[in-house]
Amino acid sequence: AAGVIQSPRHLIKEKRETATLKCYPIPRHDTVYWYQQGPGQDPQFLISFYEKMQSDKGSIPDRFSAQQFSDYHSELNMSSLELGDSALYFCASSDDAGQEAFFGQGTRLTVV
Amino acid sequence: GQQVMQIPQYQHVQEGEDFTTYCNSSTTLSNIQWYKQRPGGHPVFLIQLVKSGEVKKQKRLTFQFGEAKKNSSLHITATQTTDVGTYFCAGPDGTSGTYKYIFGTGTRLKVLA
Repeated sequence: AAGVIQSPRHLIKEKRETATLKCYPIPRHDTVYWYQQGPGQDPQFLISFYEKMQSDKGSIPDRFSAQQFSDYHSELNMSSLELGDSALYFCASSDDAGQEAFFGQGTRLTVV
Repeated sequence: GQQVMQIPQYQHVQEGEDFTTYCNSSTTLSNIQWYKQRPGGHPVFLIQLVKSGEVKKQKRLTFQFGEAKKNSSLHITATQTTDVGTYFCAGPDGTSGTYKYIFGTGTRLKVLA
């Protein structure tokens, strides 16, 4: 069965650079979530989309933005990267809000 | 804002011993989900509880949702080395709807053979 696909799997950027993370949800899932997980930390909710509209925002810095496109894939854009942005970024999708969320393998971002 | 705490933070058990992690929310939850994350892996959905006082079982795992829907527990009977990982509970942020799930602080389980 198709799973949530995230790309790239690993990304190394320098401070003040920009990064774009991509997420392809499971087909026919209409809800996408983005989480940030630091080493040894729990996943922190960043933002979610339902039917291509932003539905909730969490602790997402103003330097970050996200959108969901007509084909339901989502992108997380991160600008003016800081060392503290180094983390695992997970995308998850679900068939309607409040249902089981399927997580992607994550993108490991390292800012140097 | 809503907080979801889990205890203990870490638990080391001998293989065959039981294990329990407790999840407490600062607000009432409409439902609660449990996830397992293996070292280096991604969270994997285990179960969702919806009803007050609900108890669900999956083989050696028993999940319970409190009567007040503010706490939950996961109990593993006779742990195995394959149970190693971090167990998270997650609840929807009731103030903003069900599109925002707050993860608990997690309990990291280590099973010693």
